[in-house]
Amino acid sequence: QKEVEQNSGPLSVPEGAIASLNCTYSDRVSQSFFWYRQYSGKSPELIMSIYSNGDKEDGRFTAQLNKASQYVSLLIRDSQPSDSATYLCAVNRNTGGFKTIFGAGTRLFVKA
Amino acid sequence: SAVISQKPSRDICQRGTSLTIQCQVDSQVTMMFWYRQQPGQSLTLIATANQGSEATYESGFVIDKFPISRPNLTFSTLTVSNMSPEDSSIYLCSVEQRGVYNEQFFGPGTRLTVL
Repeated sequence: QKEVEQNSGPLSVPEGAIASLNCTYSDRVSQSFFWYRQYSGKSPELIMSIYSNGDKEDGRFTAQLNKASQYVSLLIRDSQPSDSATYLCAVNRNTGGFKTIFGAGTRLFVKA
Repeated sequence: SAVISQKPSRDICQRGTSLTIQCQVDSQVTMMFWYRQQPGQSLTLIATANQGSEATYESGFVIDKFPISRPNLTFSTLTVSNMSPEDSSIYLCSVEQRGVYNEQFFGPGTRLTVL
């Protein structure tokens, strides 16, 4: 079992719809959870961080965390073609000496 | 968030040669990381570079092939030695900023092509 699992996609949604990206992790001690956006040919960009169960909203983005189910998701409301990118899920134990573990990413296409 | 720069942004090299990639951060950070990412693939961690100690390499990566320096808290270099076409990839520097989340940020990357 991979430590951080994501559906590779591609996930295709029409413009204006809600895109839902999902991620599961295996390390129950994980404390911090991240979503990165990576455009083709560019480096990953951190867009959301969450460490408490529940929802965290930032503009059109909502991160959802359920530690009991070891599940984290990213919702993108009113999806735009500019949201088309690969989204990487990452987890960290948030203690010294442990590195962040990245998922392989989900490709998202938003159709105009 | 930390501002990270890398040099060079891209290079085309001949097999058998070496290339040193520089990573500069605008603030002091304890942990710096070097990743490799081939087109369409996920991130692969090469090593963790902490100031004042030897770099810690991941399985499949060795110091002779990827020597790393970390002379201070704002700078690191990664050398890709004795290159072959299989080393063609994007090399990314990353730093961890300690805080509530211990967030990790990435530099713009170095696109390396080995002929």
